[in-house]
Amino acid sequence: ETGVTQTPRHLVMGMTNKKSLKCEQHLGHNAMYWYKQSAKKPLELMFVYSLEERVENNSVPSRFSPECPNSSHLFLHLHTLQPEDSALYLCASSQEGQGTYNEQFFGPGTRLTVL
Amino acid sequence: GQNIDQPTEMTATEGAIVQINCTYQTSGFNGLFWYQQHAGEAPTFLSYNVLDGLEEKGRFSSFLSRSKGYSYLLLKELQMKDSASYLCAVLDSNYQLIWGAGTKLIIKP
Repeated sequence: ETGVTQTPRHLVMGMTNKKSLKCEQHLGHNAMYWYKQSAKKPLELMFVYSLEERVENNSVPSRFSPECPNSSHLFLHLHTLQPEDSALYLCASSQEGQGTYNEQFFGPGTRLTVL
Repeated sequence: GQNIDQPTEMTATEGAIVQINCTYQTSGFNGLFWYQQHAGEAPTFLSYNVLDGLEEKGRFSSFLSRSKGYSYLLLKELQMKDSASYLCAVLDSNYQLIWGAGTKLIIKP
């Protein structure tokens, strides 16, 4: 596997379910990101893990919970979601630091539908 | 607040040239990115500009004017496979990416 992978690619869940999205990067990067992409809206940054520290976006509801066990893996735990949470969830990684311009590499995304 | 503006949708003809504009107002500037995203796929990196001027890469070129808060992506010799959304993003003073909503480009034969 190369680049950034995400599983599952598609997920349908009820509002009372608990599920997790998984992201893995094989690029040796030191930063990972979760984005939400809704139709005709800018990418919304949800969470950033940079050098193993979490940078939190305060506008993200607590029903979304990230976990970064190491620099290669990132999870997004979902519980009691709402229908408006249906979107494409993208994971990305980058190499932060001097001499880089923080180009982000994206995974293929998980298409989430909340019923 | 921080804002990135780009047209929602554009249509062009195969073989022609199209210019996609992006204007930005951000707290600081550490570079501007263009990404391409085909429907149902991940965004992929196209270009990065941090200095004023034109950067050419094959059929694609990207221009930046920092004083005007303006960039454009120029696509030449359009092919059907260029039908995609094109995302403009600016790296702000905190090195966070601020994204535009994307421009959906439709190529007609």
